[in-house]
Amino acid sequence: DAGVIQSPRHEVTEMGQEVTLRCKPISGHDYLFWYRQTMMRGLELLIYFNNNVPIDDSGMPEDRFSAKMPNASFSTLKIQPSEPRDSAVYFCASSLTGTPFSGANVLTFGAGSRLTVL
Amino acid sequence: DQQVKQNSPSLSVQEGRISILNCDYTNSMFDYFLWYKKYPAEGPTFLISISSIKDKNEDGRFTVFLNKSAKHLSLHIVPSQPGDSAVYFCAASNRGGSEKLVFGKGTKLTVNP
Repeated sequence: DAGVIQSPRHEVTEMGQEVTLRCKPISGHDYLFWYRQTMMRGLELLIYFNNNVPIDDSGMPEDRFSAKMPNASFSTLKIQPSEPRDSAVYFCASSLTGTPFSGANVLTFGAGSRLTVL
Repeated sequence: DQQVKQNSPSLSVQEGRISILNCDYTNSMFDYFLWYKKYPAEGPTFLISISSIKDKNEDGRFTVFLNKSAKHLSLHIVPSQPGDSAVYFCAASNRGGSEKLVFGKGTKLTVNP
């Protein structure tokens, strides 16, 4: 398996523009997560899906952020309009429903999308 | 409020010596703890985990210790190798799984040859 695939790897945009980040999870994984990494706040969970359904979006910072998962092999994270404080590395991760406390349900992360908003 | 804290942003050790990375947590409901390793320009990768019913878990050169009364866990790497140089994240959850993992800010480990 190619792992979790994210695109673009780098995005530089101007304030006010729309940004769309894309993620292809590992085939067969039923959970998908979006994380954001910044120096100040570290790795924060933004939203996660189970079987394509959003389960918890309490980490989404504000209405400018939205995420969709139209099918089991694709998800998007959209920021509209973007602001300089959105500059961060955004990670997508996927996992399987596994036995609790087992290694079967750990997250597999993509390489991340580095976003710079000028 | 940070529920998972890694108070040392960086750590430097000599090759062959022990590396000890520390992590503190505040939420007593956490019952599953994980360590992830991250190289530059890559995503974090799972390293080792421990459930709250154990106090130690070992996997090769890596051992995680859990002290529930102190709400503290540590990762020991023995012996340390230059390839271990990376950022190490501590993470915790309260469901025995990876949903809603809470991560620390990470500790950058440098192993000098």
